[in-house]
Amino acid sequence: KAGVTQTPRYLIKTRGQQVTLSCSPISGHRSVSWYQQTPGQGLQFLFEYFSETQRNKGNFPGRFSGRQFSNSRSEMNVSTLELGDSALYLCASSSQTGMNTEAFFGQGTRLTVV
Amino acid sequence: GDSVTQMEGPVTLSEEAFLTINCTYTATGYPSLFWYVQYPGEGLQLLLKATKADDKGSNKGFEATYRKETTSFHLEKGSVQVSDSAVYFCALYKAAGNKLTFGGGTRVLVKP
Repeated sequence: KAGVTQTPRYLIKTRGQQVTLSCSPISGHRSVSWYQQTPGQGLQFLFEYFSETQRNKGNFPGRFSGRQFSNSRSEMNVSTLELGDSALYLCASSSQTGMNTEAFFGQGTRLTVV
Repeated sequence: GDSVTQMEGPVTLSEEAFLTINCTYTATGYPSLFWYVQYPGEGLQLLLKATKADDKGSNKGFEATYRKETTSFHLEKGSVQVSDSAVYFCALYKAAGNKLTFGGGTRVLVKP
């Protein structure tokens, strides 16, 4: 069974640009969550999607957005990039019953903003 | 709001030493508790979990017991190996919000 796949693995962008990250969950998983990992703030919850609907959102500015497609694949978008957006972005998928069962994480996308 | 506090690292040990990583939490209600491990260049892997008070999670020689009276979920392993070198994250989950709240992570380095 394939795991959670995140693309691309590495990305370098310039301040002011926008970026789109992709996450393909484990087959059959309908819940996809995104987290930002930085040395200073640790792991912080961005948002969660279930059946194409955003169910929960963390405390991030509106520049951070996401969506989920009918095949459960998810994308997150960051517009008007800032240096502080440099981070490892992790995607996690879980079964219909949610993350209490088990959340499976991808390897992440390392975003560097210069 | 909910929060998780775990001991800061790095923790440096010799092979076959005993490992303890302290984790305490603040949360209303009855959260589930997890330990995740992150190896270099990788995402997070679930190590073990406990869903109610007094439950003991265990996996690969690691153990942790959900102590509601002390709001703790300390991770222990009796004899570590070099391959246990990684960053360990304690986390809690509550159904309301359907998200994991993580501690800051503890880096463990095991030397041969």
